[in-house]
Formats: sequence, C-alpha cells, structure tokens
Amino acid sequence: AQKITQTQPGMFVQEKEAVTLDCTYDTSDPSYGLFWYKQPSSGEMIFLIYQGSYDQQNATEGRYSLNFQKARKSANLVISASQLGDSAMYFCAMRKAGTALIFGKGTTLSVSS
Amino acid sequence: DSGVTQTPKHLITATGQRVTLRCSPRSGDLSVYWYQQSLDQGLQFLIQYYNGEERAKGNILERFSAQQFPDLHSELNLSSLELGDSALYFCASSVTPGSGLGQGEKLFFGSGTQLSVL
Repeated sequence: AQKITQTQPGMFVQEKEAVTLDCTYDTSDPSYGLFWYKQPSSGEMIFLIYQGSYDQQNATEGRYSLNFQKARKSANLVISASQLGDSAMYFCAMRKAGTALIFGKGTTLSVSS
Repeated sequence: DSGVTQTPKHLITATGQRVTLRCSPRSGDLSVYWYQQSLDQGLQFLIQYYNGEERAKGNILERFSAQQFPDLHSELNLSSLELGDSALYFCASSVTPGSGLGQGEKLFFGSGTQLSVL
C-alpha cells in the first residue's frame, strides 16, 4: 500500500531564509508521481510542484524545488528566500497511475519577519 | 482562483440530517474527486467520477453517495450525519481520468465546504 510520511508537524523560519520540508513515501511500484500542495489559512489547496519517478532531474518551480532521492524514497520540498506569504500548511502527495492522490498529514510552516 | 467552485462554503446541521454538497469543476475538466479533511484523519480520498461514471472509490462511508451529472457538476450527499462527519470537504478536478502520470494529472481544488454537525 502507498503511504506518505511528513514527520515535521511544524517548522519555523525567518524571512529570506531557505527551508526544507521533509517527505518520505512508501510504494513498491516503480512508476509514480509526487506532488506538493500548499494550504494557506484561507483553506484552498494550491498545487506547487510535481516530480515523476522517472524524471532524471529534480523539479523546480520558481522558489520551489523538489529534492528527489529515489533510493531513499524521499521527496523534500525546498523553499528558497522565504516570504511571509509562505506561511501555510504544506502537503506532500503521491499517486500511481490509475489510483487517487494520497496525502501526508502535512507540515505547518511559519515565516516570521 | 483554481476555477473549481464549491457551494456552500459553510454548512451547519444536526445529527441525523442529510446534506448535499455541490461542485462545479474547471471548464474542460472531466474528472471530479471528493476528499474529506479532518484534524485526526487528514486528507482522505472519498470518490472519483470521470465523465459521469464512477472511476475510483476510497474511504467513502455507505451513508455517503455522490454523482456526476451530464453538465459535469458533481454532488456529494451525506446522510444520517454524525458528529464525526464534521470536516472540510474538498472537490478537485482534472482534465484526465487519472490513468496516467505526469504534471498534467495534477488536481485543482475548490475552496471546500466546511461542514459542522452539531
């Protein structure tokens, strides 16, 4: 069965610093996709970044990058130059072809000035 | 704005009652997914429809049912409500049926319906 683990319930960072949010996953399938979503206090879920299991390079989207270590089954999200607006809950998610997206429990990020 | 519309935003009801949550997917999206978010369970997948047909089922209770209409909007019906059903219910949509992989498979979420059962 698939499983996503986010071990950091809360992270604190100052503006302009970089932060890494951890995510490990468990699947025996060689083909899967990994996603990160952001949920601000307003509640909506916002897609941030995607990494395919066969992608050779780590995904990047603006200030977001995904540190994908396939052998360790980890897909950590790196946010560079944190901003106050980055304060939110962040979810790591995974799916295999033909299955629904499953989510980790999330990590709350607090950015201070 | 994701383009996915959910109504109502908030719903307060009593135990034993029945409610209907509504979702309009993004224009052009054929898949609709329903998720339940609670503090203890996190985000749980309930059910998926693709072009009017049930595509996948997750941890959906028998008291819950859903459907997708010809105009592609979807409704989630929750009946015999219990206190534990209080949660944020999300609808998400995608253009694909979910049978492949890739960034194109990402889901676009609505802002949710907060259900409070008293």
